Amino acid sequence: EVQLVQSGAEVKKPGESLKISCKGSGYSFTNYWIGWVRQMPGKGLEWMGTIYPGDSDSRYSPSFQGQVTISADKSISTAYLQWSSLKASDTAMYYCARHGVPGDIDYFEYWGQGTLVTVSS
Amino acid sequence: QLVLTQSPSASASLGASVKLTCTLSSGHSSYAIAWHQQQPEKGPRYLMKLNSDGSHNKGDGIPDRFSGSTSGAERYLTISSLQSEDEAEYYCQTWGTGFVVFGGGTKLTVL
Repeated sequence: EVQLVQSGAEVKKPGESLKISCKGSGYSFTNYWIGWVRQMPGKGLEWMGTIYPGDSDSRYSPSFQGQVTISADKSISTAYLQWSSLKASDTAMYYCARHGVPGDIDYFEYWGQGTLVTVSS
Repeated sequence: QLVLTQSPSASASLGASVKLTCTLSSGHSSYAIAWHQQQPEKGPRYLMKLNSDGSHNKGDGIPDRFSGSTSGAERYLTISSLQSEDEAEYYCQTWGTGFVVFGGGTKLTVL
């Protein structure tokens, strides 16, 4: 059974750094791209970027390029999303999701449970 | 530019059928999409991938009540025999070389 298990909710102050995680299991972690999706309160889904854990090749949405960093550690089947300096506007639910076809950036077939990030002074 | 357009809201009665629409931007009518469901206070769930020829493959455990179809640049999700748990936000998603796009979502109310 494919599972993506995300790290727990975080409460941070503006300017702080943060790294959240997404651990994959039940499939070959290195063969599928994994993406990150933001959902701000009461809003829709926004693609942030996606990474291929096999070689850490990554793609970013222009809206998020330079704002976050996506990485992966294939030795522990885990993908990460990190911020160096959080802003209040980063308050949102963040989902990781695995793409459907090995080696392709395509549809999201499996979703993590989400990580709520709250940034407040 | 690849854009997906969805109506913000839809409603239908319990036991009835509803057809949700996702429209691909001009010049992109050959693209496949995926449909995702997000029930209140839950994460998204993959429903199906829908190809331009109307063929689709559904996610694990998705009931037969959910089906997809295509006409030109329009991609449809039909839900029959509506149940209360179908009240949710429905998002379409597509992709190009190295990028992903979501539609704005349709909030379905089951009356």
